[in-house]
Amino acid sequence: KAGVTQTPRYLIKTRGQQVTLSCSPISGHRSVSWYQQTPGQGLQFLFEYFSETQRNKGNFPGRFSGRQFSNSRSEMNVSTLELGDSALYLCASGSGGGGGYNEQFFGPGTRLTVL
Amino acid sequence: DAKTTQPNSMESNEEEPVHLPCNHSTISGTDYIHWYRQLPSQGPEYVIHGLTSNVNNRMASLAIAEDRKSSTLILHRATLRDAAVYYCILRDDYNQGGKLIFGQGTELSVKP
Repeated sequence: KAGVTQTPRYLIKTRGQQVTLSCSPISGHRSVSWYQQTPGQGLQFLFEYFSETQRNKGNFPGRFSGRQFSNSRSEMNVSTLELGDSALYLCASGSGGGGGYNEQFFGPGTRLTVL
Repeated sequence: DAKTTQPNSMESNEEEPVHLPCNHSTISGTDYIHWYRQLPSQGPEYVIHGLTSNVNNRMASLAIAEDRKSSTLILHRATLRDAAVYYCILRDDYNQGGKLIFGQGTELSVKP
């Protein structure tokens, strides 16, 4: 079974631009979560989508948004990029059903550099 | 979200057991204890989880204190491949979906 894939793997943008990152979950998984990882703040939860609806949300400004498609693929968008948005963005997928724990499988991440 | 406290770093020798501690004195009755690890240049990966009883799987063992205010991840024979950052996470598995709140974790180094 193929793992979680993220595209692109590396991205360089300039301040003020916007960026869209993509995540394809493991086949059959309906939950997709996004995380930001920086040396200073560590791993921080951005949001989670389940069956095309945002189910959980972290404490990030509205410049960070996401969506999930009917095939469970997810995109994350960051508008008006700031230098501090430079980070590794990780996507995780899980089966997502209620009633208990669903192991989260992480992708390799997208390294975003904002100049 | 309940908070966990872990040592910033630990060292181990290859093929020796490693005990990684985690304190979680404010754990609630519905919180499960999860461990994930992040190998260099990779996304985190699931290691083990438990509620009250000790748990074993092919990767590790999880020992949970009787009062649940602390737990220990046990790697029975450390290998060089086990060098990673280990995260102890509390979560209410029935109400938090896929959300994981990561702390700073413990960076484990393994010496040959």
